[in-house]
Amino acid sequence: GAGVSQSPSNKVTEKGKDVELRCDPISGHTALYWYRQSLGQGLEFLIYFQGNSAPDKSGLPSDRFSAERTGGSVSTLTIQRTQQEDSAVYLCASSPVELVGNTIYFGEGSWLTVV
Amino acid sequence: AQSVTQLDSHVSVSEGTPVLLRCNYSSSYSPSLFWYVQHPNKGLQLLLKYTSAATLVKGINGFEAEFKKSETSFHLTKPSAHMSDAAEYFCVVRGTNDYKLSFGAGTTVTVRA
Repeated sequence: GAGVSQSPSNKVTEKGKDVELRCDPISGHTALYWYRQSLGQGLEFLIYFQGNSAPDKSGLPSDRFSAERTGGSVSTLTIQRTQQEDSAVYLCASSPVELVGNTIYFGEGSWLTVV
Repeated sequence: AQSVTQLDSHVSVSEGTPVLLRCNYSSSYSPSLFWYVQHPNKGLQLLLKYTSAATLVKGINGFEAEFKKSETSFHLTKPSAHMSDAAEYFCVVRGTNDYKLSFGAGTTVTVRA
């Protein structure tokens, strides 16, 4: 498809388990974002990748969270030892470059429930 | 640094009447401004964006927004609401040379038949 693709769309996991969330950005987009949307918390920046530059990880909430981007394309967000407060929608977005005015395109999100 | 304030957490309108969603921003530089819509259990869809060209921006589904620098506002309007407009709307700002997006808290729109 032409849009940002995320998988899984829904994930229910037990507390303490690890989860991996995948994002396929739009082809050719060098910028990739992860955001988290929690009930009552709005949208929270997690991490930003731009080309081959070092990612901005300043939004990751704890060291249980990590992300990588292989070959400048697909990204994986990993949450280790999940906790109930990790339950949220994880949104991935991509953009052609970081220049002014470029549209940022969002995927439909990965809905994570930790039980 | 930039920030966004959506002045209404919830707006309720009757079908066929105008919709106004208010957004004020704060930005150190000339910002790019966006409105996104999120329908229940869906991702974010871009409605429109302002990028220092025309101050009146037209978007999809009959929405438009006007950038007013003197008022630091970017309010979203639609002349006639449709039932399908029921959703959550986010005002978003990104500063010049800044890749981070700042989201407003969102406005939930309810459309009454």
